[in-house]
Amino acid sequence: NAGVTQTPKFRVLKTGQSMTLLCAQDMNHEYMYWYRQDPGMGLRLIHYSVGEGTTAKGEVPDGYNVSRLKKQNFLLGLESAAPSQTSVYFCASSYRPWETQYFGPGTRLLVL
Amino acid sequence: RKEVEQDPGPFNVPEGATVAFNCTYSNSASQSFFWYRQDCRKEPKLLMSVYSSGNEDGRFTAQLNRASQYISLLIRDSKLSDSATYLCVVNERDGNKLVFGAGTILRVKS
Repeated sequence: NAGVTQTPKFRVLKTGQSMTLLCAQDMNHEYMYWYRQDPGMGLRLIHYSVGEGTTAKGEVPDGYNVSRLKKQNFLLGLESAAPSQTSVYFCASSYRPWETQYFGPGTRLLVL
Repeated sequence: RKEVEQDPGPFNVPEGATVAFNCTYSNSASQSFFWYRQDCRKEPKLLMSVYSSGNEDGRFTAQLNRASQYISLLIRDSKLSDSATYLCVVNERDGNKLVFGAGTILRVKS
C-alpha cells in the first residue's frame, strides 16, 4: 500500500517549456487535489477533482490544467512554464471531501 | 486579514518542555479543524483533528474556541523528534475548501 505517489520528485524547466506532474493513489479515494506550497504561505489549492472524469478550479488555477481520466490518477499540466510557478507541488487525496487529506511526497519545480 | 493565521515562530524549546501554539481563523462558519505536521522537505501529515470538546492524543492536546475563533495545540514533554512545522487547517464548508495556515516552526533542542 503505497498511499499517494508523485513523479517526478524534482524538475528544472526553462521558461515556456511544458510538463506534466503525475499523482497516483491506491486508497480508492474519490477526491484528489493539487496544491502548491511557497515559502511563508500556506498550501494553496490549484485544482481538485471529486471523481473520475471531473475537475474543478481551486484558488490559484491560472497557468495549470488537470485531468482525471482514471480514479487513481490525477495529472497536473503546465503548458508554458513561468518563473512564478517555481514551487513545491503536493498532490493529496481524501475519502470524504475537504476532510482528512493524505499527501504525496511532493514535486520540487524550478523554472528558470 | 488572512483566513488562517499562525505565529511563524520559530519556537525554540528544550527537551521536556511544554509548548503551545495558537491559530486564529476568520470564517465563523468553519466546521472542521485539524493540525498537520510537516517535517523539513516532506509532505504534511495529519497530526490530529480538533473536536469541539477538545481532544488528547498522548502528549498532544488540541482545543477549539469557537467564540474567539481560535484553535490551539499543546505539546507536553517535548521530544527532539517533535521538531517540525505545525500547520493549522480549517475546513470552510460554505466555500468547499480547506484553508492551510503558513505553519509554526518548532525546534526542540537537547
